[in-house]
Amino acid sequence: AQSVTQLDSQVPVFEEAPVELRCNYSSSVSVYLFWYVQYPNQGLQLLLKYLSGSTLVKGINGFEAEFNKSQTSFHLRKPSVHISDTAEYFCAVNKRGAQKLVFGQGTRLTINP
Amino acid sequence: DTGVSQNPRHKITKRGQNVTFRCDPISEHNRLYWYRQTLGQGPEFLTYFQNEAQLEKSRLLSDRFSAERPKGSFSTLEIQRTEQGDSAMYLCASSLEGLAGDANTGELFFGEGSRLTVL
Repeated sequence: AQSVTQLDSQVPVFEEAPVELRCNYSSSVSVYLFWYVQYPNQGLQLLLKYLSGSTLVKGINGFEAEFNKSQTSFHLRKPSVHISDTAEYFCAVNKRGAQKLVFGQGTRLTINP
Repeated sequence: DTGVSQNPRHKITKRGQNVTFRCDPISEHNRLYWYRQTLGQGPEFLTYFQNEAQLEKSRLLSDRFSAERPKGSFSTLEIQRTEQGDSAMYLCASSLEGLAGDANTGELFFGEGSRLTVL
């Protein structure tokens, strides 16, 4: 069975600083990978996804992630964060051909002015 | 149709009472999922439907939990004899997927959730 580990439960950064949220997955087969964002009192929204092809994927709000098969990682990055990026971020994996997403524990991103 | 809708958004109940949550998915979506999210954790899979058929249930879904999707459109999740450990956010999601194979990417569209507090 696949699993997802988000290595940081909380990440505080200053506004306009770069940020990286780390995600590692465990699966013996090919997977699809996702990052979802959850703003306060809102549902989860898809930020970006890796299905195939280029290992660098770009998402909404200036976020990008890189799929690294050898390190089984899918880290999320943004070169310059804004106060509005304050949210909980979830990495998720779906084994190809499987029927459900498996989520990590989440990383709370806090932006300080 | 603007997205997945869940009702009620908040429910406070006493231990031992029954509660029911409703989910209206995106209209053309054939798959509907229920997840549970507790504080500080990621969503955990509970069950999913392909049209009206319930195809998989997690071991997290005890016999006090029952989900239905009678006409392949909206779904209900009922919890009988609630316990304090049932306090959580219950998330519904939908997707448009085929029956099997690599075409099923797993991308889900989530509602805002129904928060249950059991006193």
